[in-house]
Amino acid sequence: AQSVSQHNHHVILSEAASLELGCNYSYGGTVNLFWYVQYPGQHLQLLLKYFSGDPLVKGIKGFEAEFIKSKFSFNLRKPSVQWSDTAEYFCAVNAIGENDMRFGAGTRLTVKP
Amino acid sequence: NAGVTQTPKFQVLKTGQSMTLQCAQDMNHNSMYWYRQDPGMGLRLIYYSASEGTTDKGEVPNGYNVSRLNKREFSLRLESAAPSQTSVYFCASSERGDTQYFGPGTRLTVL
Repeated sequence: AQSVSQHNHHVILSEAASLELGCNYSYGGTVNLFWYVQYPGQHLQLLLKYFSGDPLVKGIKGFEAEFIKSKFSFNLRKPSVQWSDTAEYFCAVNAIGENDMRFGAGTRLTVKP
Repeated sequence: NAGVTQTPKFQVLKTGQSMTLQCAQDMNHNSMYWYRQDPGMGLRLIYYSASEGTTDKGEVPNGYNVSRLNKREFSLRLESAAPSQTSVYFCASSERGDTQYFGPGTRLTVL
């Protein structure tokens, strides 16, 4: 079964700093890739997803992620974070042909005003 | 559209008690899922239902049972609650392999 690793457990940034959150997965076949965000006290919601095509995908609120197949990675980036980006971020992988989705442990982002 | 709804929002049980968490979706999705979320462990899949009439175990099924009552509803039952089942439980729905839509969660405490 596939697994997902998120390298950073807790990231603390000041407003306007750049963000990159790492995500690696272990699965040799074709995958669909997702980043979800969970704001404090809320449920998970989709930030962006990659199925095929351009490996650089753009999501909501200025987030983007790059799929690097050779590295089994799908890192999340944002050029300039805001205080409102304080949340927990989850990378998730669905192997094509499988119905379940595997989530990483999450990265908690704290943005200081 | 309400999306995915869950009841109850909060629950406190004593060890050994039973309860059922309810989930319903109005997006006509075929697949539904139950996860638990624990600090530092992300979301772990308990059970899922790929389509009406089918259910399958996920990563952490022990101590739980599920019922896919119809296309809209997917319930999770704890037959004999244990403190290790203290967690936040999320239901989700999707079309196979696509974006999952999550409910607001149920915060369960087992004393």
